[in-house]
Amino acid sequence: EVQLVESGGGLVKPGGSLRLSCAASGFTFSSYSMNWVRQAPGKGLEWVSSISSSSSYIYYADSVKGRFTISRDNAKNSLYLQMNSLRAEDTAVYYCARGLTLGGVDPWGQGTLVTVSS
Amino acid sequence: DIQLTQSPSFLSASVGDRVTITCRASQGISSYLAWYQQKPGKAPKLLIYAASTLQSGVPSRFSGSGSGTEFTLTISSLQPEDFATYYCQQLNSFGGGTKVEIK
Repeated sequence: EVQLVESGGGLVKPGGSLRLSCAASGFTFSSYSMNWVRQAPGKGLEWVSSISSSSSYIYYADSVKGRFTISRDNAKNSLYLQMNSLRAEDTAVYYCARGLTLGGVDPWGQGTLVTVSS
Repeated sequence: DIQLTQSPSFLSASVGDRVTITCRASQGISSYLAWYQQKPGKAPKLLIYAASTLQSGVPSRFSGSGSGTEFTLTISSLQPEDFATYYCQQLNSFGGGTKVEIK
């Protein structure tokens, strides 16, 4: 079964840092691009960042550029999101999701909640 | 950046109704459009990719069409389990969502 499991969320103060992880199983992780997507409470979906299968191509939303860093370890079947200089507006459920060749992402993990508050 | 505009943002419908949701792109995106369903407290679920290809396991009452800048998601006969919020997506952009509620 293809599965993605996020971890690392929690409560952090403004200006703080957090590292999210996403453990993949059930598919050849090194063959797929991966994505982080977030959803603020009661709001819609926002794409955050993408990384190609070999880490050659990396993209960020303008809202997180310079503060967040996406990375992956294909040997460990894991995706990461290092989040620095966190702001209240970064409060959201963060999902990792596998990229598909013809567009779209599937599946999604269950999400991990990040709360930025003093 | 490409902007995706969904309409309507909210619709009220009855079981058995035919429902159509539109997604307009600010510039041409060929057929690289996906549709998702999200229920409260759950992760989104992929319904359609490449504008019109049904994801495995998704009921055939869901269909997608369009290319370029205008796309539609159609539910041919709304079922109780279809009341949810629907999103379109193109690469690094999501539409604002359409909440489908029971009339």
